[in-house]
Amino acid sequence: GAGVSQSPSNKVTEKGKDVELRCDPISGHTALYWYRQSLGQGLEFLIYFQGNSAPDKSGLPSDRFSAERTGGSVSTLTIQRTQQEDSAVYLCASSLAPIPSTDTQYFGPGTRLTVL
Amino acid sequence: GENVEQHPSTLSVQEGDSAVIKCTYSDSASNYFPWYKQELGKGPQLIIDIRSNVGEKKDQRIAVTLNKTAKHFSLHITETQPEDSAVYFCAANTGGFKTIFGAGTRLFVKA
Repeated sequence: GAGVSQSPSNKVTEKGKDVELRCDPISGHTALYWYRQSLGQGLEFLIYFQGNSAPDKSGLPSDRFSAERTGGSVSTLTIQRTQQEDSAVYLCASSLAPIPSTDTQYFGPGTRLTVL
Repeated sequence: GENVEQHPSTLSVQEGDSAVIKCTYSDSASNYFPWYKQELGKGPQLIIDIRSNVGEKKDQRIAVTLNKTAKHFSLHITETQPEDSAVYFCAANTGGFKTIFGAGTRLFVKA
């Protein structure tokens, strides 16, 4: 079946511009995660959505970062006034839940963001 | 909060040899430890996981061991093949939604 998809696969932008990254989770998965992967680093948790509950935004690095999930499905991660340090691969994952700690997370291929 | 350290950062082995990647965690409340494999241009994929009530788990050529007392866990790949070349991540979870990942190990299997 279809896995997690993300778009665009690559995004090059200029410093100060806003960008939107999209994630389509696996159908039926109620949990959705966003991670950031900097070069040579592990995965940094950004935000978590579970069903219709308020998201956990504790991992967002600054108020320039925001995310929403419409209708409990598609999610958009928005970065405003991009900075060069925002350059990274942004990964989205979804899982069936309702036990997130032991539920397999399925990752998308990621969006590689380059801020010039 | 939880912190996961992973070693080595790079590992090169000859085809057919074994590869071992080690991780340590800081939070004794962690009870779930997944391992992910990330191939070039793709997202990470779960390859094996272990829960805190188990000391070892094996799936064909892959095995994971957990030492709760020492707070470390390891991934063992036997009879390595070129297609095992990838970046491997360990991770730890304390029971909530936040999974903490190690920095990754880049494995090269030389034919």
